[in-house]
Amino acid sequence: DTAVSQTPKYLVTQMGNDKSIKCEQNLGHDTMYWYKQDSKKFLKIMFSYNNKELIINETVPNRFSPKSPDKAHLNLHINSLELGDSAVYFCASSQDGTRNNEQFFGPGTRLTVL
Amino acid sequence: GNSVTQMEGPVTLSEEAFLTINCTYTATGYPSLFWYVQYPGEGLQLLLKATKADDKGSNKGFEATYRKETTSFHLEKGSVQVSDSAVYFCALKNPNTDKLIFGTGTRLQVFP
Repeated sequence: DTAVSQTPKYLVTQMGNDKSIKCEQNLGHDTMYWYKQDSKKFLKIMFSYNNKELIINETVPNRFSPKSPDKAHLNLHINSLELGDSAVYFCASSQDGTRNNEQFFGPGTRLTVL
Repeated sequence: GNSVTQMEGPVTLSEEAFLTINCTYTATGYPSLFWYVQYPGEGLQLLLKATKADDKGSNKGFEATYRKETTSFHLEKGSVQVSDSAVYFCALKNPNTDKLIFGTGTRLQVFP
């Protein structure tokens, strides 16, 4: 199946831990994104990469560090997890990030910090 | 700055009712406008889009028209189905950036 996939789907962890979420797309797209959706369903972009280069870096704590080993993968590493990090994290990709290109979203990773 | 405002939900309708979900935007320049749908437990899917004034996007019976004079992109469907129950997000993308800016989402619940 051609798609954007994320692992894991659910992640439950303790405060202070470090965790990673992985994202892969096999659509041949050049641009990938991470979004955070809070408990009220508000969705906000965190990062975008174009061909392994960081393009967008919103006001996100530096505990969050994206890593793109190649243009098909964009992983999100989170250090020293806090309660407020609990959310659903969505990965997305688009052909090249221009105005008309559709962004394809992954199924999301629900992170719960206890 | 750029922003999107959607009507508060939930919107509760009976099957075959007419649907309108309001969306207005604030943007510099000429953004592209989108409606995304999120079914329970899934990621977002693009429902329709419009890239310039007076364009009408349509898909699966849903329509929205890019109205520059009222800075609106209201979503409509003539006859909703139970399977349309989902959260609908209006979004804009400014041509100068790569960012999609989303509204807060509107939950639609359709009952038989």
